[in-house]
Amino acid sequence: EAGVVQSPRYKIIEKKQPVAFWCNPISGHATLYWYQQILGQGPKLLIQFQNNGVVDDSQLPKDRFSAERLKGVDSTLKIQPAELGDSAVYLCASSFMRQETQYFGPGTRLLVL
Amino acid sequence: EDQVTQSPEALRLQEGESSSLNCSYTVSGLRGLFWYRQDPGKGPEFLFTLYSAGEEKEKERLKATLTKKESFLHITAPKPEDSATYLCAAYSGNTGKLIFGQGTTLQVKP
Repeated sequence: EAGVVQSPRYKIIEKKQPVAFWCNPISGHATLYWYQQILGQGPKLLIQFQNNGVVDDSQLPKDRFSAERLKGVDSTLKIQPAELGDSAVYLCASSFMRQETQYFGPGTRLLVL
Repeated sequence: EDQVTQSPEALRLQEGESSSLNCSYTVSGLRGLFWYRQDPGKGPEFLFTLYSAGEEKEKERLKATLTKKESFLHITAPKPEDSATYLCAAYSGNTGKLIFGQGTTLQVKP
């Protein structure tokens, strides 16, 4: 069974530029999560979807970050404009239902110059 | 405030030298304590879930245990391929969030 797929794997951009990340969860998983992992720290939840609805986006910096999960499958996370402090790994995870084990993708490594 | 703290931050062991990693948590309405392994440049890989105090789970050289305030990941006779960052995370039933610790980076030398 295929795991969580993310693209791109790496992205280098200039500050103030926009960037987007894509995630395809494990087939049949209703819940999808986006995390930000800064070097040396554990992942921090940005947003959580249940099917195509947002369950929790309390830690998403909404002035510059946005996310959507159309049709309850794939998801896109966007940053516009990017800041130097956004340099991190952006991890997508999915679970069959909320409260169950979350399985992570390989992440997208973002460097903002 | 929900919080998960791991210690030590880094651990160096000789091959075959057993040790334990600690995860202390204060989480409202704990609904599961998770251990993940993360290799450089990769996403976290699921290892174990523990649900109640006294529960233990094993996988090869790893054994995870849970008390009401802490979880331990015991590594018996580690090998160099066990080198990785080990992440602990607690699921809060009250907030519906998985709270991660900062991780313990383990290096096992041959």
